[in-house]
Amino acid sequence: EDKVVQSPLSLVVHEGDTVTLNCSYEVTNFRSLLWYKQEKKAPTFLFMLTSSGIEKKSGRLSSILDKKELFSILNITATQTGDSAVYLCAVLPNSGYALNFGKGTSLLVTP
Amino acid sequence: NAGVMQNPRHLVRRRGQEARLRCSPMKGHSHVYWYRQLPEEGLKFMVYLQKENIIDESGMPKERFSAEFPKEGPSILRIQQVVRGDSAAYFCASSPGDRAYEQYFGPGTRLTVT
Repeated sequence: EDKVVQSPLSLVVHEGDTVTLNCSYEVTNFRSLLWYKQEKKAPTFLFMLTSSGIEKKSGRLSSILDKKELFSILNITATQTGDSAVYLCAVLPNSGYALNFGKGTSLLVTP
Repeated sequence: NAGVMQNPRHLVRRRGQEARLRCSPMKGHSHVYWYRQLPEEGLKFMVYLQKENIIDESGMPKERFSAEFPKEGPSILRIQQVVRGDSAAYFCASSPGDRAYEQYFGPGTRLTVT
């Protein structure tokens, strides 16, 4: 069965810290890996990664995919309290449309 | 451009009652997906629909659950004779055409069965 595993499950940091969130997957027919941010509402899209080794960047957030080792990381630099959320990793298989989600990493940024 | 709309946001049902969850996709989107998020679990795919068609319901429980996406109106996820284990957050997503990598999520309906 396809698996997406995120670590750590939860994390508490101080404002200004840098964090790295991990996502490993065992998915046949991999097409893309997506990162979402979920506050107390809809998961909002952050990144889609398809090719290995190419970093995607948006402000203080960046992400990269390693298709050989089957993992991705999401980095957040200079964290702010507004970054507090659950970060979800999902894998899209080549032959489908059902996103396969990990359990998420709950990030709390304290002032 | 309104995003994906779901209602109600919170729904409380007693065991044995029916729950109806509604999802209006983003304007211009004709593909709808339903996911369920149980406590302490990730989102799990339930069903994928296009207008008037169920494309894939492989994630739906075999009994009591059904979904539709009529030609007019929102998509409906229907749970008959709810049980405590149905308590969860139900999220709907929509995408333009069959671009499943562009799924935009609604705010979810939190169902509590008492």
